[in-house]
Amino acid sequence: KAGVTQTPRYLIKTRGQQVTLSCSPISGHRSVSWYQQTPGQGLQFLFEYFSETQRNKGNFPGRFSGRQFSNSRSEMNVSTLELGDSALYLCASSLQGDPYNEQFFGPGTRLTVL
Amino acid sequence: AQSVTQPDIHITVSEGASLELRCNYSYGATPYLFWYVQSPGQGLQLLLKYFSGDTLVQGIKGFEAEFKRSQSSFNLRKPSVHWSDAAEYFCAGGRAQFYFGTGTSLTVIP
Repeated sequence: KAGVTQTPRYLIKTRGQQVTLSCSPISGHRSVSWYQQTPGQGLQFLFEYFSETQRNKGNFPGRFSGRQFSNSRSEMNVSTLELGDSALYLCASSLQGDPYNEQFFGPGTRLTVL
Repeated sequence: AQSVTQPDIHITVSEGASLELRCNYSYGATPYLFWYVQSPGQGLQLLLKYFSGDTLVQGIKGFEAEFKRSQSSFNLRKPSVHWSDAAEYFCAGGRAQFYFGTGTSLTVIP
């Protein structure tokens, strides 16, 4: 069974631009969560989608948004990029999204904002 | 505030030595607790998890962790470290939403 895939793996943008990251979960998984990983803050939860609905949201500004499609694939969008948005963005999928189901993480998208 | 703390940013151990990575949590109720490992360029892999019951949890790759409610801790242990264990280790806790610690980087010297 294929793992979680994230595209692109690397991205360079400039301040003020917007970016869209994509995550394809493991087949059959209906929950997708997004995390931001930075050296100073560690991993921080962005949001979780289940069956095309945002079910949980972390403490990030509205510039960070996401969506999930009927095939469970998810996209994350960041508008008006800031230097501080440079990070590794990880997505994780699980069957139902509750803690009893293991989250499987993708390799991440490395975003650099110049 | 709900949080998970990993006091050690970096730990160096000799191959074959024992290992203990510390994790403390702050949560209203007992959270679900997890340990993940991240190798360079890789995503996170679940090592073990604790929901309830037996406070000593066995995981993959020879790791175990012990939940101590009185100390709000969930420390990860391994009796004999292998060079391939060098990686970043993350403790996480929560219920609907996961809170991750900032990670402990493990270096293994021969």
